[in-house]
Amino acid sequence: EPEVTQTPSHQVTQMGQEVILRCVPISNHLYFYWYRQILGQKVEFLVSFYNNEISEKSEIFDDQFSVERPDGSNFTLKIRSTKLEDSAMYFCAGTGLNEKLFFGSGTQLSVL
Amino acid sequence: AQKVTQAQTEISVVEKEDVTLDCVYETRDTTYYLFWYKQPPSGELVFLIRRNSFDEQNEISGRYSWNFQKSTSSFNFTITASQVVDSAVYFCALNRPQGGKLIFGQGTELSVKP
Repeated sequence: EPEVTQTPSHQVTQMGQEVILRCVPISNHLYFYWYRQILGQKVEFLVSFYNNEISEKSEIFDDQFSVERPDGSNFTLKIRSTKLEDSAMYFCAGTGLNEKLFFGSGTQLSVL
Repeated sequence: AQKVTQAQTEISVVEKEDVTLDCVYETRDTTYYLFWYKQPPSGELVFLIRRNSFDEQNEISGRYSWNFQKSTSSFNFTITASQVVDSAVYFCALNRPQGGKLIFGQGTELSVKP
């Protein structure tokens, strides 16, 4: 069964550094998402992406965040200047016409 | 606004017991989807089920069953004859069709002891 692939599985960075989290969605998916989960908390929506543009974003997704799908395959989340509170598990997800939302295995981001 | 409430934060059962995880949702939409995901200790989110708001038939998949009741805005999940491998955090979620964002509940941590 096709999978959503996320790399890296773990990322450690210094506060103030830029990080890029990468995702390869399932090829026939149309809608793409980033979610995050702070340790022990619920999964929170960050942003959705459709037809090569952001379709919705949450309050969390401020100017420090950006998303791209540069080559029609990879879907990236960039955090420009990381803060301690950005430490979380970041999940990429996608869905197609059948509307079953599949998640990647996540990237655990640790900001020191 | 959409909201999902999982009132049970933690549940602990002994193997072979049946257990029901509660989920109550709020939405003004007439068309929506409801989901359950399993998050084992390894951290990934495993899709279990998606239910359309127009389909109130209960569903059974092996030891798993789901009871959708629109009248009470509930979508409860029952595991029959629980096993240690069922230990995980379970999330209920809701979204609109056509790519709507998923709204998650707080999750219920299920611990199944041998």
